[in-house]
Amino acid sequence: GAVVSQHPSWVICKSGTSVKIECRSLDFQATTMFWYRQFPKQSLMLMATSNEGSKATYEQGVEKDKFLINHASLTLSTLTVTSAHPEDSSFYICSAIQGANTEAFFGQGTRLTVV
Amino acid sequence: DAKTTQPPSMDCAEGRAANLPCNHSTISGNEYVYWYRQIHSQGPQYIIHGLKNNETNEMASLIITEDRKSSTLILPHATLRDTAVYYCIYTGTASKLTFGTGTRLQVTL
Repeated sequence: GAVVSQHPSWVICKSGTSVKIECRSLDFQATTMFWYRQFPKQSLMLMATSNEGSKATYEQGVEKDKFLINHASLTLSTLTVTSAHPEDSSFYICSAIQGANTEAFFGQGTRLTVV
Repeated sequence: DAKTTQPPSMDCAEGRAANLPCNHSTISGNEYVYWYRQIHSQGPQYIIHGLKNNETNEMASLIITEDRKSSTLILPHATLRDTAVYYCIYTGTASKLTFGTGTRLQVTL
């Protein structure tokens, strides 16, 4: 299957700082990328949908000013957690698709710990 | 995406077939059934998907009932590496996936 890579795999940051997570489709062009968050022992929760060259669409309850998403090219989307706080500590996962109604491929996830 | 019903956990002996059921009684005619799995601390991995016919690939088989209200994912010869949480999802938009709680499959020696 297609390969989606996230960087970094894990990050520890101080409270109040910002953290950027990258999601890359390595061997295909992704028309759309998705960002999920997963807390311990819980399922994945969709945060936002990101289309190349346009503004992201956020799910209800997700603060767009706190979780900045940029999808500048067909192979790269970034999620920036601004002014991170300990409650933002979570596992962040992206997925990417080649076209409408094709299967989604997921990155390996990024574990964020805010101290 | 709407809700599916899966058992919270299952055990399977290594080498035996693992049969994971899923109920999706409110599925509509143009919605596909997708299966993903998530091994601990990794991103989900695509397994298989189908509309109404049974499907098989190198990882698994998917059996969908004739009324499409339920399906079964079959791992023919489970190994310890198949221990994971398995998610059954149905959607008309394959890319936007709503994850339920899934089935935690434990493969044992």
